[in-house]
Amino acid sequence: GQQVMQIPQYQHVQEGEDFTTYCNSSTTLSNIQWYKQRPGGHPVFLIQLVKSGEVKKQKRLTFQFGEAKKNSSLHITATQTTDVGTYFCACRNSNSGYALNFGKGTSLLVTP
Amino acid sequence: DAGVIQSPRHEVTEMGQEVTLRCKPISGHDYLFWYRQTMMRGLELLIYFNNNVPIDDSGMPEDRFSAKMPNASFSTLKIQPSEPRDSAVYFCASSLVPLTGELFFGEGSRLTVL
Repeated sequence: GQQVMQIPQYQHVQEGEDFTTYCNSSTTLSNIQWYKQRPGGHPVFLIQLVKSGEVKKQKRLTFQFGEAKKNSSLHITATQTTDVGTYFCACRNSNSGYALNFGKGTSLLVTP
Repeated sequence: DAGVIQSPRHEVTEMGQEVTLRCKPISGHDYLFWYRQTMMRGLELLIYFNNNVPIDDSGMPEDRFSAKMPNASFSTLKIQPSEPRDSAVYFCASSLVPLTGELFFGEGSRLTVL
């Protein structure tokens, strides 16, 4: 099935700094989803990107889908302590048709 | 809606014991997924069901693991016999097709096998 690689694995920023996580695939993706998991919590859906070159914004979060639909990024402007958690990208498993394969995630730590 | 409900939230057991994890998906969701999360391997798909029928169980580690979905509102994941390497957080998630396709996760069952 399709796999996605995420970088970096960890990121530690000061509150107010920006943060970006990247998700890369060796194959073309039909779509990509992003999830956030707070420490001790469960993954929560953030957004789905479908179109080539798509850019979506949610307040301080900006999501991009690459032109070739092989990569995606999540950018957080002016991080806050509430942004702490692990951010996962996920793509559909083409072999199974519907199951989501998750990247290993980027763990974000924000210190005041 | 109450969301996806999992039980137990925490389970500590000894090696060799049987473990049963339970999940109630969101009413009306056609798909149910079981994932396992560890530090080393991240979120791994174990098995998923569509309309109570197992579709892909290729992620089930070995014969010690089994999953059932006897009806649309209940699923179990059973490990027999359990081993220390099974220690992980097990998440159940459900999804409604064909809308956004997003997964709604339960709060997870943290399993520790001593």
